[in-house]
Amino acid sequence: EVQLVDSGGGLVQPGGSLRLSCAASGFTFSSYEMNWLRRAPGKGLEWVSHISGNGGSTHYADSVKGRFAISRDNAKNSLYLQMNSLRTEDTAVYYCARRQRRYYDLWGRGTLVTVSS
Amino acid sequence: DIVMTQTPLSLSVTPGQPASISCKSSQSLLDGDGKTYLFWYLQKPGQSPQLLIYEVSNRFSGVPDRFTGSGSGTDFTLKISRVEAEDVGVYYCMQSIQLPLTFGGGTKVEIK
Repeated sequence: EVQLVDSGGGLVQPGGSLRLSCAASGFTFSSYEMNWLRRAPGKGLEWVSHISGNGGSTHYADSVKGRFAISRDNAKNSLYLQMNSLRTEDTAVYYCARRQRRYYDLWGRGTLVTVSS
Repeated sequence: DIVMTQTPLSLSVTPGQPASISCKSSQSLLDGDGKTYLFWYLQKPGQSPQLLIYEVSNRFSGVPDRFTGSGSGTDFTLKISRVEAEDVGVYYCMQSIQLPLTFGGGTKVEIK
C-alpha cells in the first residue's frame, strides 16, 4: 500500500528539541521530493520545509530557518525533521507529504507537537 | 512572499445546493512554462488534507465532477455544484509558483 506514516510528536518544553520521522512505503521513495507542513490549532496550513530526492537540496520557511533541519535516508525510506529551540508557536500537527510535480498528492496522518511549559 | 486571500471564511450550505469559494493571490501564478500553479485542497475533520484540483482546473484522481476550479492570473474560484454531506471540512487554495509555498486562510464548509 502506498502510504506515509509520520511519528515522533509529543510534549516538549520551550527551548527543547524533538525529531519527527516519516516512514514511506509502496513507492520508490528516492524518486520524490518530500516536504513537511503543519497546521497550528485554529490556524491554516503552513509549509515548513522541502528536500530533494537525493537530499542534496533543502529549503525552509523563514519561521523555522536555523532551528529545524530536514533530512532523509533513502535506504530506509524515511524522512526526518529535527526541531531545535522549539517555541510555543511551533505547536501544531506536523504532516509529511510527497511532492508530485508542483503539488502534494500523498500525506501522512500527522503527528502532534505541543510546546508548552 | 505571495499572499493568498480566501473568501468567505465559512459557508453553511443546504445539501444539494451550490457553493463557491474565492481565492486571490498577491501576484500572478502564471509561470513561464505556461502553467498556472494554483491548487485546491480539502481537509476533512480528523483527516489529512487531500488534493482536489491542480493547476487551476484539473480534477485530481477520484475527485467527483461536482467540483470545478476556474480562474487565471490572480483570481480563482472553486465551485461545488451540489454540496453533499461528505464535502464538509476546510478548503484551502495553495500556490506553488515560488517558495515559500503559501496557502489561503481556509474556508470552513458545513452543512445546514
